[in-house]
Amino acid sequence: GQNIDQPTEMTATEGAIVQINCTYQTSGFNGLFWYQQHAGEAPTFLSYNVLDGLEEKGRFSSFLSRSKGYSYLLLKELQMKDSASYLCAVRDRGAGKSTFGDGTTLTVKP
Amino acid sequence: DGGITQSPKYLFRKEGQNVTLSCEQNLNHDAMYWYRQDPGQGLRLIYYSQIVNDFQKGDIAEGYSVSREKKESFPLTVTSAQKNPTAFYLCASKGGGPLNSNQPQHFGDGTRLSIL
Repeated sequence: GQNIDQPTEMTATEGAIVQINCTYQTSGFNGLFWYQQHAGEAPTFLSYNVLDGLEEKGRFSSFLSRSKGYSYLLLKELQMKDSASYLCAVRDRGAGKSTFGDGTTLTVKP
Repeated sequence: DGGITQSPKYLFRKEGQNVTLSCEQNLNHDAMYWYRQDPGQGLRLIYYSQIVNDFQKGDIAEGYSVSREKKESFPLTVTSAQKNPTAFYLCASKGGGPLNSNQPQHFGDGTRLSIL
């Protein structure tokens, strides 16, 4: 199985940069996903990492170190609309299913 | 537009009653999933199906049942055996087949179930 840890809450200021960490212990690894979920809504896909390194997509970047069981999501030029929960999910090898962390609730303040 | 439709948006269950949550997708995805989300928590997997007429239990399957008779549809029944069903239920689908690991899941808008 998988065990995934994320900070419960974070607060940052509009225009700033924030890094949301995710650590995992896994019995099989086939990629790591980050999703954004606004309150009461469905999660939406942000990024995917399967190899070590940084993936950049506009204001959002995601990093993976498989040897350390560690990933982070980096949000730049924060906007008020970035206030949401950010979910880290690890896909199991061969099983076609993913395990989700409990999510990090980010609050962006003016 | 392609997507996933969950209905109803809100559902109320009486004690001892079974209720069924609908999930339909027109994305031509093979895999479909049901998750439960409690306040302040992440998604926990109830059941998943990688192909029509086949499904597997997830981490919290007790008190729930599913069927996958059509590729487009994956209904979830919350039975009376589920003693604490109040939660936000999310359905998702994924394309690319089980060997294609880089495809994300696409989620419906969810059904919020409450006990009367």
